[in-house]
Amino acid sequence: GAVVSQHPSWVICKSGTSVKIECRSLDFQATTMFWYRQFPKQSLMLMATSNEGSKATYEQGVEKDKFLINHASLTLSTLTVTSAHPEDSSFYICSAKPQGFSVRNTEAFFGQGTRLTVV
Amino acid sequence: QKEVEQNSGPLSVPEGAIASLNCTYSDRVSQSFFWYRQYSGKSPELIMSIYSNGDKEDGRFTAQLNKASQYVSLLIRDSQPSDSATYLCAVPARQLTFGSGTQLTVLP
Repeated sequence: GAVVSQHPSWVICKSGTSVKIECRSLDFQATTMFWYRQFPKQSLMLMATSNEGSKATYEQGVEKDKFLINHASLTLSTLTVTSAHPEDSSFYICSAKPQGFSVRNTEAFFGQGTRLTVV
Repeated sequence: QKEVEQNSGPLSVPEGAIASLNCTYSDRVSQSFFWYRQYSGKSPELIMSIYSNGDKEDGRFTAQLNKASQYVSLLIRDSQPSDSATYLCAVPARQLTFGSGTQLTVLP
């Protein structure tokens, strides 16, 4: 199956600093990647949809200036949490769908997730 | 109404029993449905997909789809402690939309 690699798997940072999370599709090209956030004992909440070569689409309530998304190539999307605060501590997960497939017809392939702890 | 609703549980079953997980969805035009399993601290992994009305079996897992009732379920036969996880139902809409998940515990 398709492989999505997410890095780092965990990170601890100081309050006020920025953290970058990478999501790579290793064996397919992904025009669209998705970024989710999951708090303990809650389901995945979509934060934004990342489109290669264009601006990301953010879900309601997600601050675009705080969660910067860059999708500069067909295999890489990055999420930068700027000026992180303890309430940003969460499990961040990316997913990708192969180029040419609609979301309706294929499952998403998930990265391993990144556990962010802001102290 | 939420796009995807699951019985949130938690659900506990003894080892060897059948675990039944349920999901309803609101978008009548949905054509595909997915069940993901998520272990604590890990990202979701796809375990079943179903596109047609009826049953689809894969090993100990059976997905059941009833489009008229907008209902999809997952049965796990001969449940094992290793099946203890959160199970997420997902329906593609504008993007993949997840239910809130059902936490399953299989008791040895």
